[in-house]
Amino acid sequence: DAGITQSPRYKITETGRQVTLMCHQTWSHSYMFWYRQDLGHGLRLIYYSAAADITDKGEVPDGYVVSRSKTENFPLTLESATRSQTSVYFCASSGGGTSTNSYEQYFGPGTRLTVT
Amino acid sequence: RKEVEQDPGPFNVPEGATVAFNCTYSNSASQSFFWYRQDCRKEPKLLMSVYSSGNEDGRFTAQLNRASQYISLLIRDSKLSDSATYLCVALSNTGNQFYFGTGTSLTVIP
Repeated sequence: DAGITQSPRYKITETGRQVTLMCHQTWSHSYMFWYRQDLGHGLRLIYYSAAADITDKGEVPDGYVVSRSKTENFPLTLESATRSQTSVYFCASSGGGTSTNSYEQYFGPGTRLTVT
Repeated sequence: RKEVEQDPGPFNVPEGATVAFNCTYSNSASQSFFWYRQDCRKEPKLLMSVYSSGNEDGRFTAQLNRASQYISLLIRDSKLSDSATYLCVALSNTGNQFYFGTGTSLTVIP
């Protein structure tokens, strides 16, 4: 299916466990992003990637690791999950480039993560 | 200070009404702006991009005021299906970070 997908959609894990959230897009977009959404904070950028093998920190990167070995995939890993990382995680992609719509982001359906 | 600030609402309006939301941004160098719509427990979806002074798409009009550093969204002839949270977004001047407001909640009442 075309578009942007995330897995799992729901995850419950324990404090201290490592967990990886997957994101896959079929548009060959250059840019990919990970956000978390919490009440009172809105969407906050965790990490982003401008292309394969190029990643950079966003607003709230601590406790997270990303990689991007292929253009279409952008996994997010919580190395040692904490309760404060309970949140809804959204992956997004955008085309990049210089056209007027190159900065428009398209979001995946989200992963609801609960850390107990 | 947050990069993007919005009035959280809620805005409760009758069907057919016109409603306007404002959003302010702190970085005067921000170049591009967007409005997203988010339904409860769903992902944000792009509603409109605002690249210059503003643009219109059917019942929706977005305007940008660079001097006062605010963006507005006007919805005319509100429909029940317009009920959602509307997110204001500013793109950093470096072109690689997006800053989201916390959203404005709209409920259109029959």
